[in-house]
Amino acid sequence: GENVEQHPSTLSVQEGDSAVIKCTYSDSASNYFPWYKQELGKRPQLIIDIRSNVGEKKDQRIAVTLNKTAKHFSLHITETQPEDSAVYFCAASSPVVSGGYNKLIFGAGTRLAVHP
Amino acid sequence: DGGITQSPKYLFRKEGQNVTLSCEQNLNHDAMYWYRQDPGQGLRLIYYSQIVNDFQKGDIAEGYSVSREKKESFPLTVTSAQKNPTAFYLCASSMIPVRPTDTQYFGPGTRLTVL
Repeated sequence: GENVEQHPSTLSVQEGDSAVIKCTYSDSASNYFPWYKQELGKRPQLIIDIRSNVGEKKDQRIAVTLNKTAKHFSLHITETQPEDSAVYFCAASSPVVSGGYNKLIFGAGTRLAVHP
Repeated sequence: DGGITQSPKYLFRKEGQNVTLSCEQNLNHDAMYWYRQDPGQGLRLIYYSQIVNDFQKGDIAEGYSVSREKKESFPLTVTSAQKNPTAFYLCASSMIPVRPTDTQYFGPGTRLTVL
């Protein structure tokens, strides 16, 4: 079935360094790729997303890249700050053939720790 | 995402009991979803609904049931048939599920613990 693999599962960086999280998806029909940030005990919140007709998108210190041929996409956070510490989830849309619409398949998450 | 509410925030259940988790949204979204989150794992889809009076099983529907009698509400019942129900449950909604680019917004979650 559909699958999204996410790496690494944990990531520790020093404040000011960059962080990169990578995801690989299996369904070649996937065409929407959101990233969510979840702080401890809180709801996941969308931080950035990318559509399949775009190779890269940037929003201040956050950027996402997509390689449809290789079926992988990545989240890049530059100039990390302690408040970036959280669990980050990637997801890929997947068509529900019988239903005629789409659902999201989530990666297992990356726990990012930014140390002052 | 402030337009999605879940209650209660914490719920304790004895083995053999059914419990119902509430999810309400005032975003006028057509689609609603229930996910289960376990430590170290991603979100797994339990049920989803794209319109009132219609819902479909997700990847882990066994031991759960839902209803969608109103557009704003999508309650989840965790039945006694669910073998390991202790988890964090998240409800989400999106405008129209047909469009793959519609963002899902999450509620604050309910943490269910079986005693």
